[in-house]
Amino acid sequence: QVQLAQSGAEVKKPGASVKVSCKPSGYTFNSYYIHWLRQAPGQGLEWMGIISPSGGSTTYAQKFQDRVTVTKDTSTGTVYMELSGLRSEDTAIYYCARDPKQWLVEGWLDAWGQGTLVTVSS
Amino acid sequence: EIVMTQSPATLSVSLGDRAALSCRASQSVNSNLAWYQQKPGQAPRLLIYDASTRATGIPARFSGSGSGTEFTLTISGLQSEDFAVYYCQQYSNWPPLTFGGGTKVEVK
Repeated sequence: QVQLAQSGAEVKKPGASVKVSCKPSGYTFNSYYIHWLRQAPGQGLEWMGIISPSGGSTTYAQKFQDRVTVTKDTSTGTVYMELSGLRSEDTAIYYCARDPKQWLVEGWLDAWGQGTLVTVSS
Repeated sequence: EIVMTQSPATLSVSLGDRAALSCRASQSVNSNLAWYQQKPGQAPRLLIYDASTRATGIPARFSGSGSGTEFTLTISGLQSEDFAVYYCQQYSNWPPLTFGGGTKVEVK
């Protein structure tokens, strides 16, 4: 079945960067778009960006435009999200999630990673 | 950016009862709306897409309705495993994809 396995929890100092990985399995890696979202403690869901696993093109939320980079490594079938200039407000669980249609973007999310807690603290 | 507003923030319901959760969009999203369920310590799970289509494996007691700016998720005959937080999400006009603030369904 479709699974998205994310890397483990991270603790970072303000101003640092964090890179979270997401390794899908159970389907053809290059066929489906992957989204990144986050959820601050006790808060709702916030969309950050999307990557095409085939061509690698990306689209980001304006809020994160200058701080987030989403990349992919086709050789390992892994997608990465790097967030720079971390501040305390970036403390959150970061999720990767799959868009459901091959080669197209629908915009809803049919499979989610387990989440990665990123804590920003001095 | 389309703002999604969910109400109520908390809904107290008894086992076996019917729950109706509301989601409103700041502008029309047609039928481009999804619903997710999230339990503590877990990732969200897709319930409904295209406003009324149940995702694979979702029980028939979950139903979605609405179009344009007003949507409802109805849970008929609430079971113990249904107590959770529910989010709506629009995908009509993006970036960004946007979510409502959530409705917590709790035991009455």
